[in-house]
Parts: sequence; C-alpha cells; structure tokens
Amino acid sequence: DIQMTQSPSSLSASIGDGITITCRARQSIISYLNWYQQKPGKAPKLLIYAASSLQSGVPSRFSGSGSGTYFTLTINSLQPEDFATYYCQQSYSTPWTFGQGTKVEIE
Amino acid sequence: QVQLVESGGGLVKPGGSLRLACAASGFTFSDYYMSWIRQAPGKGLDWVSYISSSGGTIYYADSVKGRFTISRDNAKNSLYLQMNSLRAEDTAVYYCAREAGSGRFDYWGQGTLVTVSS
Repeated sequence: DIQMTQSPSSLSASIGDGITITCRARQSIISYLNWYQQKPGKAPKLLIYAASSLQSGVPSRFSGSGSGTYFTLTINSLQPEDFATYYCQQSYSTPWTFGQGTKVEIE
Repeated sequence: QVQLVESGGGLVKPGGSLRLACAASGFTFSDYYMSWIRQAPGKGLDWVSYISSSGGTIYYADSVKGRFTISRDNAKNSLYLQMNSLRAEDTAVYYCAREAGSGRFDYWGQGTLVTVSS
C-alpha cells in the first residue's frame, strides 16, 4: 500500500491569509494525486485532481502542484468557507489511500 | 443533478451483518466505477472497495476482504455493500462515491452510519 503523509496536521490562519498544505507519498505516484475538502458532518468534496487540475466549480484561489512523491495544496486569500479539513489521496495504485488530513482553523 | 443516497446503516452486534445501499440518479450509472469509502468517528478517510462499471472488476481493502461484498444493479441504478462478520473497528460513516476516472471521487453521498457494538 502507498502511504500518504500530510503536514501539518493542523494549522491556524486568518481570513485573507495564504496557506500551503503538503502531501508526501512513500513512492512515486507520478501525478495521480487528488485533494478533497471536508466540513464537519458533510461528505468530502473534490477540489483538485491529477495534482494540479481544478475541479469544475472550485474557486481559483485553490491550486495544486507537485509530482512524484511531493505535492502541495495552496489556498490564496482564505475565505470563511475554507475553514475545513483537507485530505490528499493517491490514485496511482489500489488500494487507494488518503493522507491523515489537515485541519485548517481560524486564528 | 448527480445524487447519491446511502441507506441501510444502523446498530449491529459484533459478528453481525448489514447491507448498505446507494441509490444513484442524475447520471448514467452504468458508465461509472463506484466505490465505498468509510470514516470512523473523528478519523480520516479509508477506502473500502470499488466495482467497475459492468461489475466485472472488484477490489477490496485488506481490512474487509473476505467479509464485505460489493455489488451493483445497473438496471436499478444501485450500489450495494454486504457487510458480514462485523467488528467494532468497522464502526464508521460509510460513503458511496462515483469515480470520475483515474481513481478520483467527484461525487459523494451524504453517508450512512454503521455502529458495531454489543
């Protein structure tokens, strides 16, 4: 199984801040990396797929980059609705695996 | 619009069984791979199983292999998860999700809670 490790596990930020979350894979997953946002009590929502492609309907302040084993999710100018938990997921090989999540809280 | 609605969750004793269902609408169900993904209370996401569009290819996480069975009925636009020999560690919200291609999940249901406890 491909282990995915996110950092940090949590962070505090203010409205308008820019933040970056990292996700590392134990082995190369090329660009088979997806990012999800989850709010309490809700299902996850796909934000970014194939490392850097923005899912339809997702605001452009979200962006993804990386390849191989190192990936980042960047949110420019945090909005109130962006405070949530974010997960990366590899789709290079089954079993599909997720990072442990990064909780973004209001400072 | 795409909609996925899970049902069948509940409280079950260890060793018991439960069958989850996911009703799909708003898209051509038979064109898509589907997955079950779970989330234990306060924990992260844990992929459980997928089934190909025709049902001919199935994959399970090691943690459920031999105990869970995924299936689908394309005529009824429905996905199922038969869960046997349930354990306390199977307690979670179970989501069905559509695979958009390359293993990414573009639509998720609202989830159904399965609690395994005596």
